[in-house]
Amino acid sequence: QSVLTQPPSVSGAPGQRVTISCTGTSSNIGSNFDVHWYQHLPGRAPKLLIYGNNNRPSGVPDRFSGSKSGTSASLAITGLQAEDEADYYCHSFDNDLRGMLFGGGTTLTVL
Amino acid sequence: DVQLVQSGAEVKKSGESLKISCRGSGYSFTSSWIGWVRLVPGKGLEWMGNIYPDDSDTTYSPSFQGQVTMSADKSISTAYLQWSSLKASDTAIYFCARRGLVGATTSAFDIWGQGTMVTVSS
Repeated sequence: QSVLTQPPSVSGAPGQRVTISCTGTSSNIGSNFDVHWYQHLPGRAPKLLIYGNNNRPSGVPDRFSGSKSGTSASLAITGLQAEDEADYYCHSFDNDLRGMLFGGGTTLTVL
Repeated sequence: DVQLVQSGAEVKKSGESLKISCRGSGYSFTSSWIGWVRLVPGKGLEWMGNIYPDDSDTTYSPSFQGQVTMSADKSISTAYLQWSSLKASDTAIYFCARRGLVGATTSAFDIWGQGTMVTVSS
């Protein structure tokens, strides 16, 4: 079980907004370490969606946004599209583990 | 184009050794950390460790310390991940990734290799 907790699955209809949470502790997100988010489609390499809590790399649509507060972070996806169906992971650093860690991952289903 | 290209799929037996590679191009390979990430089918991503190709400084996840060895040859812009004695539980897809885009405190993996599937039979 990951130290960064994500819901195993979320779903939404096309056009809707969904959020994916990433709950950490005082040794990682709560210690002000950045949270990054990745999208992973089976058979493909993971893709960086959000870095530094709320920054989008060039080419990532503004439908994707990130936020962080306290010991938690969230990824929001608006205007859901069928192509958004994928696994999503949060990523941060942990003082106690003295290294990086990923959340357990969330599978997004577009209904 | 900035890219990381990994070596091809491997099928091995328990107890055998293995070294997989990750070659960078399109950027200064010695200026960015390279991380290794494991994906077990049906499970999530796991960070294994990072290596800085310029001086081969390494940081391992406690879960993988002593289980794998990371190395790099900066003359050919290539990072390696190796096992001295594989186990069936090492069956997974292994990704290398560049720590590139920087937030306020840590950097994200912005460029990923295509992954190397390692299958270990017992």
